[in-house]
Amino acid sequence: DGGITQSPKYLFRKEGQNVTLSCEQNLNHDAMYWYRQDPGQGLRLIYYSQIVNDFQKGDIAEGYSVSREKKESFPLTVTSAQKNPTAFYLCASSLTPGPGQGSGKTQYFGPGTRLLVL
Amino acid sequence: GEDVEQSLFLSVREGDSSVINCTYTDSSSTYLYWYKQEPGAGLQLLTYIFSNMDMKQDQRLTVLLNKKDKHLSLRIADTQTGDSAIYFCAERGYQKVTFGTGTKLQVIP
Repeated sequence: DGGITQSPKYLFRKEGQNVTLSCEQNLNHDAMYWYRQDPGQGLRLIYYSQIVNDFQKGDIAEGYSVSREKKESFPLTVTSAQKNPTAFYLCASSLTPGPGQGSGKTQYFGPGTRLLVL
Repeated sequence: GEDVEQSLFLSVREGDSSVINCTYTDSSSTYLYWYKQEPGAGLQLLTYIFSNMDMKQDQRLTVLLNKKDKHLSLRIADTQTGDSAIYFCAERGYQKVTFGTGTKLQVIP
């Protein structure tokens, strides 16, 4: 089955620790995205990647880092510089990158990872 | 920046119709989306409408778009308990996709 997988479902971070959230897709999509969701708020864009080996900062990139070495994979690292990391993290992908016209830019989401701080 | 607004909560009785509303500010919107999120899960794409359309129907779902007023609505006919979830409106402009804060739909049996 084609889809987007995220792991783990729950992740615990100790103070001062970096943690990495996994996102994999087998949809052959070019673009991938990371969002953060806090209670009562909409989704906020952390990073996005339109093509392998390229990525751009979103609205709240501080304290986060990403890589895109393979088309299928877009891991997100939450660094110790992120002082309020507790949130639900959602990965998404779209067939073609960028905003603008075209139904291929529709984003599809993974099941999410909940990050909690110990 | 661009903004998408939704009411936070809606309660309906099972079998009634639900109408979830959304307003947006981006005049360059190309596509508008409705996503459903069940507890602890990701967002599931329900439907979308191109900005040059004013209505789209898909089984129990009807989307209405008033581009002049920048108002989008999602009507769910014969609402079931399985429809209980948070519904997100999102709009795609030429620069980015902006999500609303979500409307929590509670279906009372």
